[in-house]
Amino acid sequence: NAGVMQNPRHLVRRRGQEARLRCSPMKGHSHVYWYRQLPEEGLKFMVYLQKENIIDESGMPKERFSAEFPKEGPSILRIQQVVRGDSAAYFCASSPGGASYEQYFGPGTRLTVT
Amino acid sequence: AQSVTQPDIHITVSEGASLELRCNYSYGATPYLFWYVQSPGQGLQLLLKYFSGDTLVQGIKGFEAEFKRSQSSFNLRKPSVHWSDAAEYFCAVGEYNFNKFYFGSGTKLNVKP
Repeated sequence: NAGVMQNPRHLVRRRGQEARLRCSPMKGHSHVYWYRQLPEEGLKFMVYLQKENIIDESGMPKERFSAEFPKEGPSILRIQQVVRGDSAAYFCASSPGGASYEQYFGPGTRLTVT
Repeated sequence: AQSVTQPDIHITVSEGASLELRCNYSYGATPYLFWYVQSPGQGLQLLLKYFSGDTLVQGIKGFEAEFKRSQSSFNLRKPSVHWSDAAEYFCAVGEYNFNKFYFGSGTKLNVKP
């Protein structure tokens, strides 16, 4: 059973470009969470999605950031017009929901904005 | 507001020595508590979790943690550290409805030969 998959693992963008980060949850998991980890810091919650629905986006910056989890395909975290401060590791986690409350994390995407 | 504090940023122990990593939380209701480990350049791996019941929980790789409600703590312990335990350790609190986790800032463990 494959774990949570994220791609790309490393992404370099120039200021002003768009970044698209992909997350494929574990098989059977319908809940996806995105976290951001700045250098020397812990993970900060960004958004929680279920298929075709955003459940909680209280941690998402109000501008330039969006997330989706379509009926088919991976979850996408999209950052428009990236700035240097967006440089971070972005982790996706998935959960089956229901009575199982563990979140399983992917290896992360390390975004560098030059 | 919910928060997690890991007061030790770096810890160095000798191989074979015992280890305790501290974690304090602030949460209004019964917490769901977790410890994760992150190796350099890798994602997070769950070590153990506490939902309810016995306050001493056992995890993988010989780790255990004890929930102390009176101290709002969930410290991670290992009786004998191995060089392969060198990594960063994160404590996390999960909300009741599990919309999100709150993570501490992490403790980097260095193991001396």
